[in-house]
Amino acid sequence: GQQLNQSPQSMFIQEGEDVSMNCTSSSIFNTWLWYKQEPGEGPVLLIALYKAGELTSNGRLTAQFGITRKDSFLNISASIPSDVGIYFCAGRISGNTPLVFGKGTRLSVIA
Amino acid sequence: GAVVSQHPSRVICKSGTSVKIECRSLDFQATTMFWYRQFPKQSLMLMATSNEGSKATYEQGVEKDKFLINHASLTLSTLTVTSAHPEDSSFYICSASPSSGRPGAQFFGPGTRLTVL
Repeated sequence: GQQLNQSPQSMFIQEGEDVSMNCTSSSIFNTWLWYKQEPGEGPVLLIALYKAGELTSNGRLTAQFGITRKDSFLNISASIPSDVGIYFCAGRISGNTPLVFGKGTRLSVIA
Repeated sequence: GAVVSQHPSRVICKSGTSVKIECRSLDFQATTMFWYRQFPKQSLMLMATSNEGSKATYEQGVEKDKFLINHASLTLSTLTVTSAHPEDSSFYICSASPSSGRPGAQFFGPGTRLTVL
């Protein structure tokens, strides 16, 4: 099925550093969602975006819905060890159609 | 708010048996629920879309007679893996979209680890 292009695939960063990851698509989406998944658990919704250009924060996390509606980024500021996990972007084309997922960004934080 | 539960969290069964997994939205109603399968170090693969009161819509390549889905109420969907085989071993995750409020958001359950011996 269709997938989003999510990059980078993995990141190793020092504690305290900022992190940026992004997703692009050939299709226009009306919703972008960012999730974090830890081993053996389901994805947890971090940020939901509904309008082109929308910039939303959740604590140290900030995400934006691209103006073209074909991309989104997630930034994590001042990373801490508990930020470790896999971050997935997901987009929806319309209505309540199924989400399309990126392949994930595996984040490792070195203390 | 927006909590989705799954039961069981982990199940081990013998080849040839059937396993039922429940997905519940605890504090919201969900007209639509989704079932995913996830292999190690991979992204989520959509298996089917479950609509309350109607037949589920299966993705290409997913056998509907193998993976039976029932969405009998606005808070409960079940996935039954029939005549399970070792290749069905996987992490199964459900998600639900609220019927009201912001319909775009989708909330996931904690997953069910199925091991077929």
